[in-house]
Amino acid sequence: TQLLEQSPQFLSIQEGENLTVYCNSSSVFSSLQWYRQEPGEGPVLLVTVVTGGEVKKLKRLTFQFGDARKDSSLHITAAQTGDTGLYLCAGADLGYALNFGKGTSLLVTP
Amino acid sequence: EPEVTQTPSHQVTQMGQEVILRCVPISNHLYFYWYRQILGQKVEFLVSFYNNEISEKSEIFDDQFSVERPDGSNFTLKIRSTKLEDSAMYFCASMEGLGAFFGQGTRLTVV
Repeated sequence: TQLLEQSPQFLSIQEGENLTVYCNSSSVFSSLQWYRQEPGEGPVLLVTVVTGGEVKKLKRLTFQFGDARKDSSLHITAAQTGDTGLYLCAGADLGYALNFGKGTSLLVTP
Repeated sequence: EPEVTQTPSHQVTQMGQEVILRCVPISNHLYFYWYRQILGQKVEFLVSFYNNEISEKSEIFDDQFSVERPDGSNFTLKIRSTKLEDSAMYFCASMEGLGAFFGQGTRLTVV
């Protein structure tokens, strides 16, 4: 099983602050996906990164895939209370199981 | 927007009983998955299904579990004889290309 380590496990910040969360593995993945999960709901796909060094932006969220395709980061600019949630990364090889990290639980307070 | 739908949203069952969890994946997707998430823990892979057969399964997916795609739309997970430790959220997902789309889950409580 390919292990994905996410850090930090918990993060509490105030609205307007910037933050970065990390996803690291010793394994190489063909793609890496980021999801956001709210309590009692299923994970919602935010982005998939495929190419080493790739950077993708989704409004205030910036996702980066490491050059070696083993790690990734998610940076949120000017966090809002609506960003509160559990952020999950998952490594994937096409057709095979998504392997999830334990997630970073983000709380953005007013 | 197409979505994965799961029924029921909640299921309470007695230990030893059989349960069937149902999913309707996104229609043009080819890869289907079941995952589970025990309260407060990570999302765990159970099984993947492609071309009408299991393509991969985890250690959790033992003989008590089975999956079926009985028609062109439904994808089911059966637990033959439930145990207390089967209590969890069960998520169905489907994928075509990059990125999996998850249903809202079925909360299974075994008492």
